Amino acid sequence: QSALTQPASVSGSPGQSITITCTGSSRDIGGYNYVSWYQQHPGKGPRLIIYEVSLRPSGVSDRFSGSKSDNTASLTISGLQTEDEAQYYCLSYATGSLYVFGPGTTVSVL
Amino acid sequence: QVQLQESGPGLLKPSETLSLTCTVSGDSLNDFYWNWIRQPAGKGPQWIGRIHTSGRSSYSPSLKSRVMMSIDTSKNQFSLQLTSVTAADTAVYYCARNLGFGVSHWGQGMSVTVAS
Repeated sequence: QSALTQPASVSGSPGQSITITCTGSSRDIGGYNYVSWYQQHPGKGPRLIIYEVSLRPSGVSDRFSGSKSDNTASLTISGLQTEDEAQYYCLSYATGSLYVFGPGTTVSVL
Repeated sequence: QVQLQESGPGLLKPSETLSLTCTVSGDSLNDFYWNWIRQPAGKGPQWIGRIHTSGRSSYSPSLKSRVMMSIDTSKNQFSLQLTSVTAADTAVYYCARNLGFGVSHWGQGMSVTVAS
């Protein structure tokens, strides 16, 4: 049972912006600025797209952005493209030097 | 560019101990956290634990009683042991390295099946 919650699915049309939320508690998301986001296409491993709430690793498109408010972190994908269809997972650092993943959100491009 | 590669047995019987090794190339292990993460088929990833080159480690509370990690900087390897496996431990196992508090570099993943 994940301690974080994400919507099961989010969809949008090409060119639109969508936002995926990840809600936790003061013991994880609310207590630290250490939320990261991962994109996973079928049959592939997860790929880091945002770390420490809003930082993008080298090579990740600036169409991906992250933010956080209280116990909820958000990933926004702007200018939605067909290649953005994938599963998206949040990961938060938590009290006790632990990490916890969210259950994942399926992004569909209509 | 750092690369990680998991190795170990892909098939285990219930009650056996899973032992996986991650070999790191392209960089040293020094001063990073090294993680093990698993993903059952059709489900999301589960963080198993991490170990620092200093030897400090932390594990998921749900697995803590069965997990042990070790690190060998001379071989550029780190390892996972998971005891008393059951079918619920069947998954793809990834080794991975941190970038800050994110997990940036992942191995290709190793499929592990527990079956009698």
